[in-house]
Amino acid sequence: NAGVTQTPKFRILKIGQSMTLQCTQDMNHNYMYWYRQDPGMGLKLIYYSVGAGITDKGEVPNGYNVSRSTTEDFPLRLELAAPSQTSVYFCASRNRDRGPWEKLFFGSGTQLSVL
Amino acid sequence: AQSVSQHNHHVILSEAASLELGCNYSYGGTVNLFWYVQYPGQHLQLLLKYFSGDPLVKGIKGFEAEFIKSKFSFNLRKPSVQWSDTAEYFCAFSVQKLVFGTGTRLLVSP
Repeated sequence: NAGVTQTPKFRILKIGQSMTLQCTQDMNHNYMYWYRQDPGMGLKLIYYSVGAGITDKGEVPNGYNVSRSTTEDFPLRLELAAPSQTSVYFCASRNRDRGPWEKLFFGSGTQLSVL
Repeated sequence: AQSVSQHNHHVILSEAASLELGCNYSYGGTVNLFWYVQYPGQHLQLLLKYFSGDPLVKGIKGFEAEFIKSKFSFNLRKPSVQWSDTAEYFCAFSVQKLVFGTGTRLLVSP
């Protein structure tokens, strides 16, 4: 059982370049999330999705785009990379609400540097 | 390897009971430490964090945590829990990336 898989693990971009961070989960989870963690700070929600075809903005969506064409995949797109997007990105997923025990499963993270 | 251990997977308490959730990390250098909380149906939120200075850190909603370097621990405490504290709690530490514990599910019964 792979869980939540993120690729790549590391990436260096030049200012203005674009890239897509991939996230796949094999647990048939409805909810998926993208978080970023800035150095020394906590997690902030970028975008989330409650199911295929449905996405919504989180706390810090500017500069990013997402899509959810399938239940399994939730890619995060950076169109014009900026130094402010240097961060570690975490994808996460969980099942639909079924009481207080929905566990959040995290990917291992993508460390992105924009120079 | 860098890792975080949360000793309690499930905790059930009555309202007004005191809470302590254990967290130990495995890393020999300087770390930043966090507790995150996920309330039912909600996203992950930062509860509190420790970077340096006073090892007793106060967070939101009456939570606090104490960093004990000699024990590699960062236990979360609350003197009197409420039903609304029912949630899952994640300990994490950050060196170059955030390493999470597996979470502790807390159920507070009224």
